[in-house]
Amino acid sequence: DAMVIQNPRYQVTQFGKPVTLSCSQTLNHNVMYWYQQKSSQAPKLLFHYYDKDFNNEADTPDNFQSRRPNTSFCFLDIRSPGLGDAAMYLCATSARTGNSPLHFGNGTRLTVT
Amino acid sequence: QKEVEQNSGPLSVPEGAIASLNCTYSDRGSQSFFWYRQYSGKSPELIMSIYSNGDKEDGRFTAQLNKASQYVSLLIRDSQPSDSATYLCAVSFGNEKLTFGTGTRLTIIP
Repeated sequence: DAMVIQNPRYQVTQFGKPVTLSCSQTLNHNVMYWYQQKSSQAPKLLFHYYDKDFNNEADTPDNFQSRRPNTSFCFLDIRSPGLGDAAMYLCATSARTGNSPLHFGNGTRLTVT
Repeated sequence: QKEVEQNSGPLSVPEGAIASLNCTYSDRGSQSFFWYRQYSGKSPELIMSIYSNGDKEDGRFTAQLNKASQYVSLLIRDSQPSDSATYLCAVSFGNEKLTFGTGTRLTIIP
């Protein structure tokens, strides 16, 4: 089955220690997204790629970076995690922006100690 | 600023009854509407998509869209304990990215 896969499922990092979360997809979708979701809150879009074009949300901190080396893979880099960055990080894909539904991976739960 | 609003709940519904979840949105230009189900600690899962006024049915789920009133709802018939989850409404404005509501927490009481 076509899927969106995130690794790892759980990630523990230390305050200030860089961490990378990964996402892969077999749906061959053009668009890949990274969302941050904290408890009882809506998913918050950090950025997305349309093919190779990177689109950063205006309020995404510089601490968050992303890479998409090819169609199938996308990475989220947190350069210096703070306690406030502890959250569920969701990768999603869609065929195109706008009227295409999002297909989410299982998420990575990040803990910062 | 485009907004999507949902009652956060919790909404408690007896097993076997109809659960009704509501969502309003601010932009009349909105064209695409989605309902996602999210179990605690899990990622959102697409339940329904609807693009035109009226009702769309899929099994026990019915999505209702009224663009004039800027209102979209999700009905769950014959509610089961496994339907207990948070339901997220998401709206797309033209070709822009989805905007999510904060979700309604639904509890089905056996």
